[in-house]
Amino acid sequence: QKEVEQDPGPLSVPEGAIVSLNCTYSNSAFQYFMWYRQYSRKGPELLMYTYSSGNKEDGRFTAQVDKSSKYISLFIRDSQPSDSATYLCAIPLFGNTPLVFGKGTRLSVIA
Amino acid sequence: DSGVTQTPKHLITATGQRVTLRCSPRSGDLSVYWYQQSLDQGLQFLIQYYNGEERAKGNILERFSAQQFPDLHSELNLSSLELGDSALYFCASSASGSYTGELFFGEGSRLTVL
Repeated sequence: QKEVEQDPGPLSVPEGAIVSLNCTYSNSAFQYFMWYRQYSRKGPELLMYTYSSGNKEDGRFTAQVDKSSKYISLFIRDSQPSDSATYLCAIPLFGNTPLVFGKGTRLSVIA
Repeated sequence: DSGVTQTPKHLITATGQRVTLRCSPRSGDLSVYWYQQSLDQGLQFLIQYYNGEERAKGNILERFSAQQFPDLHSELNLSSLELGDSALYFCASSASGSYTGELFFGEGSRLTVL
C-alpha cells in the first residue's frame, strides 16, 4: 500500500454544493496532515494543517482526521467557482522525511 | 506570489540532452526541495538541501543531480534526458529543516523532452 492514496477524480459539482475530498494513509503513527491547493499552472499552496485527530475549521473549509480508519477529509461548504483547483493531501511520514503527497483530486465548481 | 522563483518556466529539448533548472528560495529560507509532478505519478519528492548540504533524498534518478549554493539558490541538473522525464519540476522552500512546516512552492518549470 502506498503511504498516501487519493482518488484523482475529476470531481465536478454545482456552485453552492458541499464538497468532500478524501485520502487514506498507511500508518496509524502519522501525526501531521496537510491539504495543499494547486490552481492550474501554479505551484501548490498550503490550505489547511491538522495535528493528530479531530476537526479543524477555517471559513468554508474543514479538515477532518479519523485516525482509527486512517482517513483524512477536506470539506468545502458553499463551494465557489474560485475553489476549482486540484487538492492534494500531504503527510510528513515521520519526523525525518519530507512531505509525501497524494496524487491530488481535481475539482471543478460549475456556476 | 510565494516568493520562490523558478527559471525557466518552459523548456523543450531533445532526448539525450542535459538541462539545468534554477530555483531561488524565499528570502531567509534555508531549505530547498525539488519535486517532480507528472499526471501518472503525482508530486514526487526528489531531493532536499538545507543550508548548502544535502538533507534528504527521494526518488531521484542517478541521471539527475542538484546542489545548493552559498547564496541558497539551488539548481537541478537533468542529463541524458528521456521522454519519460517530461514533467513539471517544482522547487519549494521552507524556513527550517522541519518537515512539519509549510512548504512554499514556485510556479514550476515545465520540461518537454521530444
